[in-house]
Amino acid sequence: AQTVTQSQPEMSVQEAETVTLSCTYDTSENNYYLFWYKQPPSRQMILVIRQEAYKQQNATENRFSVNFQKAAKSFSLKISDSQLGDTAMYFCAYNAGNMLTFGGGTRLMVKP
Amino acid sequence: DGGITQSPKYLFRKEGQNVTLSCEQNLNHDAMYWYRQDPGQGLRLIYYSQIVNDFQKGDIAEGYSVSREKKESFPLTVTSAQKNPTAFYLCATSPGRMNTEAFFGQGTRLTVV
Repeated sequence: AQTVTQSQPEMSVQEAETVTLSCTYDTSENNYYLFWYKQPPSRQMILVIRQEAYKQQNATENRFSVNFQKAAKSFSLKISDSQLGDTAMYFCAYNAGNMLTFGGGTRLMVKP
Repeated sequence: DGGITQSPKYLFRKEGQNVTLSCEQNLNHDAMYWYRQDPGQGLRLIYYSQIVNDFQKGDIAEGYSVSREKKESFPLTVTSAQKNPTAFYLCATSPGRMNTEAFFGQGTRLTVV
């Protein structure tokens, strides 16, 4: 079974600074997809960024970027120029076909 | 509007009662999922369905049941066999079988009183 691990239960960052959230996963598949989701206090799940395993180039979406290390099975999220609205739970997720498997989440607090 | 509608937003149930959570989508997505989220924790898969009239158990299916009679609808029944049903329940959909991200409803908060 695939597992996704987020080793940082909570993190904080000052507004305008950069923070990196960690994620590792375990799989025997070669083709798969990885995602970061954001869950603000409203509890709505919002897709932040996605990475396709067969692409070597790291995905970027505005202030959000990933560091995808396939051999190490690592998929970290970097948030640049942190904003107060980035305060949320962040979930790493893996999909190799049938369903998404989620990590336990990292609670991020952006401080003014 | 296109999207995923979960109802109700808040639900209270007495111990020993079954309760059904609704999930409807008009995105024409083939796959639908139910996740459970406990406070401060991640999402755990209860059931999923790739096509109409077919569904599979996820990691924590015990005490739950589902049906998929229509493409648009995937209701979840929390039965009295579920020992700790108080949680936040999220319904999700995805366009196809492979690789795509899931799109989520706004969730139902179930409380057993």
